[in-house]
Amino acid sequence: AQSVTQPDIHITVSEGASLELRCNYSYGATPYLFWYVQSPGQGLQLLLKYFSGDTLVQGIKGFEAEFKRSQSSFNLRKPSVHWSDAAEYFCAVAMIYGGSQGNLIFGKGTKLSVKP
Amino acid sequence: ETGVTQTPRHLVMGMTNKKSLKCEQHLGHNAMYWYKQSAKKPLELMFVYNFKEQTENNSVPSRFSPECPNSSHLFLHLHTLQPEDSALYLCASSQDVEEVAFFGQGTRLTVV
Repeated sequence: AQSVTQPDIHITVSEGASLELRCNYSYGATPYLFWYVQSPGQGLQLLLKYFSGDTLVQGIKGFEAEFKRSQSSFNLRKPSVHWSDAAEYFCAVAMIYGGSQGNLIFGKGTKLSVKP
Repeated sequence: ETGVTQTPRHLVMGMTNKKSLKCEQHLGHNAMYWYKQSAKKPLELMFVYNFKEQTENNSVPSRFSPECPNSSHLFLHLHTLQPEDSALYLCASSQDVEEVAFFGQGTRLTVV
């Protein structure tokens, strides 16, 4: 069965430090890949997505993610974290069925805390 | 603000109550979704509507009943819920099922 793994439940980084959030998926082919962010009490906001093409994708708020097929990974990165980045981050994949995108499957999320 | 609005934001209901969650989008999207977000579990897709037709029901108990009267509105009718149904219920919409979903802020449901 398809699955998404975010191995880190909670990460704490200092403001200004770099960040990498890990995401691995299990699927026989290349799915569509997404990162969402959820601030406390809020819904999910799309940070970035990968469908095809350049494996390094840029998103909003200075985030980027790199798709690595050989590792079945889609890790999220930011070179310098801001206190406002404290939130929960969800990786998601959508399977491809007959050329059409299936529904999103989410990882369990990684909670990011930012130290002053 | 994503353009997807959910009401109420918070709801407390007894196990014998009947209530409804509402979701509204004016983005011109054709697909709408209900997700359940429980503590320590991944988001679970509950229902998918495409052009007002239900295209997916992920083995959701019948105490949850969706309704999609038009492509801009989606309801989730609740009755005789259990405490384990307490969760954040998220609505999402997309242009069609091949596009990225935009999420509402969710309704925090507590069943007592």
